[in-house]
Order: sequence, then structure tokens, then C-alpha cells
Amino acid sequence: DVKVTQSSRYLVKRTGEKVFLECVQDMDHENMFWYRQDPGLGLRLIYFSYDVKMKEKGDIPEGYSVSREKKERFSLILESASTNQTSMYLCASSLSPLTGGGRSYNSPLHFGNGTRLTVT
Amino acid sequence: QKEVEQNSGPLSVPEGAIASLNCTYSDRGSQSFFWYRQYSGKSPELIMFIYSNGDKEDGRFTAQLNKASQYVSLLIRDSQPSDSATYLCAVRQFISSGSARQLTFGSGTQLTVLP
Repeated sequence: DVKVTQSSRYLVKRTGEKVFLECVQDMDHENMFWYRQDPGLGLRLIYFSYDVKMKEKGDIPEGYSVSREKKERFSLILESASTNQTSMYLCASSLSPLTGGGRSYNSPLHFGNGTRLTVT
Repeated sequence: QKEVEQNSGPLSVPEGAIASLNCTYSDRGSQSFFWYRQYSGKSPELIMFIYSNGDKEDGRFTAQLNKASQYVSLLIRDSQPSDSATYLCAVRQFISSGSARQLTFGSGTQLTVLP
């Protein structure tokens, strides 16, 4: 079974703090993703990475950065947390449909348990 | 125009009935289609995927895909109160596109199964 582990389930931070959200997966997946989920807005992609040290902006990258120094680990960084970044953050991983061959063609995203971040 | 559309609901069905959840998508090149279930306060979990036209069954769940009409649906037979959750439809685009690495999610349909 794929396991995607997010380091914190709940986090409370103050405005202006630098915040690190960590995610580790144990299935050697190429792709890793960070989403945020807010009521009425659904899942929105912040950043994703398809290889070590590679990153691509998603739909809402402003105010965030990411780091992927090792294949299994993908970190989301809030450089200066603001109250509008209060949200549920979800990390996910998947095989690459571009390089993984036939079996990865239908590779789903596997999600971590989520981190509920509150910025006060 | 949103790329993946779902009726947000809420959809209520009595216990034992068939729940029908629908999803339409705009990109004709979409290749793979996924249904996720998300309980309140939890992360999405995969129910099933489909990539060929027609029906695919897995237990009480049936996914139906019609690429010509650009819709995918999920039927839940013998609905149980434990099926009450938000159901997310997700779509993967054409395989050679860089964006195929991503899934595009609908905003979800909230289902309530009444005992």
C-alpha cells in the first residue's frame, strides 16, 4: 500500500511566520503535489514536482514555494504566513504517466492525511 | 469555463437506493477518469478509475464513461449511511501532454444517505 505521510495533522502559526509543511512518500513515485482545499473552492493545486529538484507552478502558487531535494520528500514553504493561507493542505504522489509505462497510465493520486493550518 | 464540472448537491438518497453522481469534462483529449470519496475532515481516497467507454464495476460501485458526450458517472448501489461523503471526479489529460502528470478535480458532490 502506498503511504503518503504529512508531518503534522494540525498546525497553528502566527502571521508573518515561516511555515514548513513536510510530506514523505514510500513508493518511489516520481510525481508529488501540494493542494489546498477550502469550502466551496474544492482542491486547488499549489505546486507539483515531477523529479528531484524539479518543480512547476500549479494554479495558486503565490505566497508559496516548494523544495524537493530527495525523491521521497516534498516540502511546502510559506515564506510569510498570512491569515488567508488558513486552509487544509493535502500532499499527494503518483507514478508518472509519461515515464512509468503502461501500468502507470492510470496511476491515481495517493493523498496524505492532510495538515489543517490555522494562521492567526 | 471550469474543466471538470460536478453538481455540488447536496444529493440525498434513502438507504438501499441507487445514488447517481455525474461529472462532465471539457477536454476531449482526456484519457483517464477517477472517482474519489472524501469524508468530512479527511483526505480523498480513491474508489475507482476508468479509461474505456462503457461500464466498470467494483462491488457496489459502477463507473460509466461516455467520451463522445464527455461525461463520467458513478453509481452506488444499495447505498448505505456510511457512503455519506463528498465524491470528487478527477480527469487526466492526453498522455503525451506535460499536464498529464496532473489530475484536474471537480469541486465534488456531497452525498447524504438517509437511514
